[in-house]
Amino acid sequence: DSGVTQTPKHLITATGQRVTLRCSPRSGDLSVYWYQQSLDQGLQFLIQYYNGEERAKGNILERFSAQQFPDLHSELNLSSLELGDSALYFCASSAARGADEKLFFGSGTQLSVL
Amino acid sequence: DAKTTQPTSMDCAEGRAANLPCNHSTISGNEYVYWYRQIHSQGPQYIIHGLKNNETNEMASLIITEDRKSSTLILPHATLRDTAVYYCIVRGNYGQNFVFGPGTRLSVLP
Repeated sequence: DSGVTQTPKHLITATGQRVTLRCSPRSGDLSVYWYQQSLDQGLQFLIQYYNGEERAKGNILERFSAQQFPDLHSELNLSSLELGDSALYFCASSAARGADEKLFFGSGTQLSVL
Repeated sequence: DAKTTQPTSMDCAEGRAANLPCNHSTISGNEYVYWYRQIHSQGPQYIIHGLKNNETNEMASLIITEDRKSSTLILPHATLRDTAVYYCIVRGNYGQNFVFGPGTRLSVLP
């Protein structure tokens, strides 16, 4: 158990819908990362937050957004869903920055868009 | 883009050492080598990381060549539970993200 909690574990929805994925980082971790893993793309970095502020952006679509709240939990919002958005979405958290930064991943949310 | 090159797949006999190579010929002086693994569809798991010295922990050993252009992750006594995709990542000291390539699919055979 990494200490990172993601909910829900599974999500089935239809095209055009909007969903919210939630991540609770390990106690004390200030950084939260979001990754998307699909069969043909591997693990793709989406976005990173540090203590409530957006720190870095990767291959995140404009239909996707995220935020980190004062209690440090984070939410990833996916809207106008398409079939291609079906994937595993992982959240990771870390405490330290720089050389000693280690990511601890949650167990993921499996999103299926039908 | 990932800065590392790894074999697509490898096999290892149970109980033997698994040696997973990684090439990172364009590594910069302040970039670290990290190893993660992903078992089936679970979240990736941190294994070990290092800068230029060899490192060892309870999970594995990391051997980095003197020119730092390649490294080897060693699982000393592989078990069936070590079957996973192993990712070698090069990352700078600060501000860079963890970029996962396709990794090496290690199969530990009984």
